[in-house]
Amino acid sequence: AQSVAQPEDQVNVAEGNPLTVKCTYSVSGNPYLFWYVQYPNRGLQFLLKYITGDNLVKGSYGFEAEFNKSQTSFHLKKPSALVSDSALYFCAVRGHNNAGNMLTFGGGTRLMVKP
Amino acid sequence: EPEVTQTPSHQVTQMGQEVILRCVPISNHLYFYWYRQILGQKVEFLVSFYNNEISEKSEIFDDQFSVERPDGSNFTLKIRSTKLEDSAMYFCASTRSGGGLSTDTQYFGPGTRLTVL
Repeated sequence: AQSVAQPEDQVNVAEGNPLTVKCTYSVSGNPYLFWYVQYPNRGLQFLLKYITGDNLVKGSYGFEAEFNKSQTSFHLKKPSALVSDSALYFCAVRGHNNAGNMLTFGGGTRLMVKP
Repeated sequence: EPEVTQTPSHQVTQMGQEVILRCVPISNHLYFYWYRQILGQKVEFLVSFYNNEISEKSEIFDDQFSVERPDGSNFTLKIRSTKLEDSAMYFCASTRSGGGLSTDTQYFGPGTRLTVL
């Protein structure tokens, strides 16, 4: 079975400050890891993914995430937050052996960036 | 940029009625998925579909649910007899390739909000 934990329901950060949204996962074998963002009344927008290789993955809108195998984590980061980054962020995992490509999502973290 | 589209954006139905949610995946994609998100809860996998067959389904996807690719562009989710607890946002997604070794990203549509009264 695969699972994802996002330990923080909400993260508050001031505009211009760095942000981190935490994610830990559990999966059999090597993971494929994803971050999606959801704006109000919108669908899930893909931000970035880790497949293999470099542990630091860069994605859309200046976001990046660091894969840490020993800690089974994939935290989302951005050096300087914008008010427009305020949204709901979901981490998701898929195992290599998952033939149906099923993504398992975390519960989501609401990011609030204040001016 | 190609995107997944879904109709309707909002569907209101009475308990016990049948509903069909429609999705148009990205045109050259071959693998299709449905997820749902009950208000305030996490996004949950329902089913994956390839070559006119279900590849994988979750425990949520019981006999009340069915999926179909009725033509070359649409992918539908049918709920035969809706229950109050089926009220949720339903997301369609697609990928170009699939299977265990696929690294493709699932691209999601904007969702259909289903309200069962």
